[in-house]
Amino acid sequence: DAKTTQPNSMESNEEEPVHLPCNHSTISGTDYIHWYRQLPSQGPEYVIHGLTSNVNNRMASLAIAEDRKSSTLILHRATLRDAAVYYCIRVTGANSKLTFGKGITLSVRP
Amino acid sequence: DAGVTQSPTHLIKTRGQQVTLRCSPKSGHDTVSWYQQALGQGPQFIFQYYEEEERQRGNFPDRFSGHQFPNYSSELNVNALLLGDSALYLCASSKGLAGGSYNEQFFGPGTRLTVL
Repeated sequence: DAKTTQPNSMESNEEEPVHLPCNHSTISGTDYIHWYRQLPSQGPEYVIHGLTSNVNNRMASLAIAEDRKSSTLILHRATLRDAAVYYCIRVTGANSKLTFGKGITLSVRP
Repeated sequence: DAGVTQSPTHLIKTRGQQVTLRCSPKSGHDTVSWYQQALGQGPQFIFQYYEEEERQRGNFPDRFSGHQFPNYSSELNVNALLLGDSALYLCASSKGLAGGSYNEQFFGPGTRLTVL
């Protein structure tokens, strides 16, 4: 049970922003939200994670709703290299196990 | 700094055989987790090793076993292979038992196992 819900797929245009949604309505107060992505023929790659407040790094931004029941991964300018499966994952407390769902497949049009 | 490395890259076995997959964690990491990824699915957690002990285990049968060595590298062993064991096996490393909660896990490229 991945305990997060994501759309199956999304398309975007190159150099435009992309907003990837994730629903985690049963999240507990100590659960972190992690995002990983998996490019074709590669292992998953960490993107970003957060607990309550919005987070930014060189790859993306993570916007977490005030009630923490949903979050959005934001790629500010999509490139063809961003085409991948993106996984939104709840990580519970000291349990570092990652429970992957099916993720959302992002396609980027030139 | 080498990231997570796994060997071999590909492996073909027949039903009933046994296989050993190997993983070297990223420098400075002491926790290793193993995942199985079937085609078209997300990775599924097999187990995690820290301080040479299995700390957590997913819903996998006892045919799946592992080991962690003093240098933090790890092995995944699968006995009595079934056709359904064909998958990409991923190793991930992190720092500390709870590292995954607060810090990222680094994944290797995986070992592609085919069981005929």
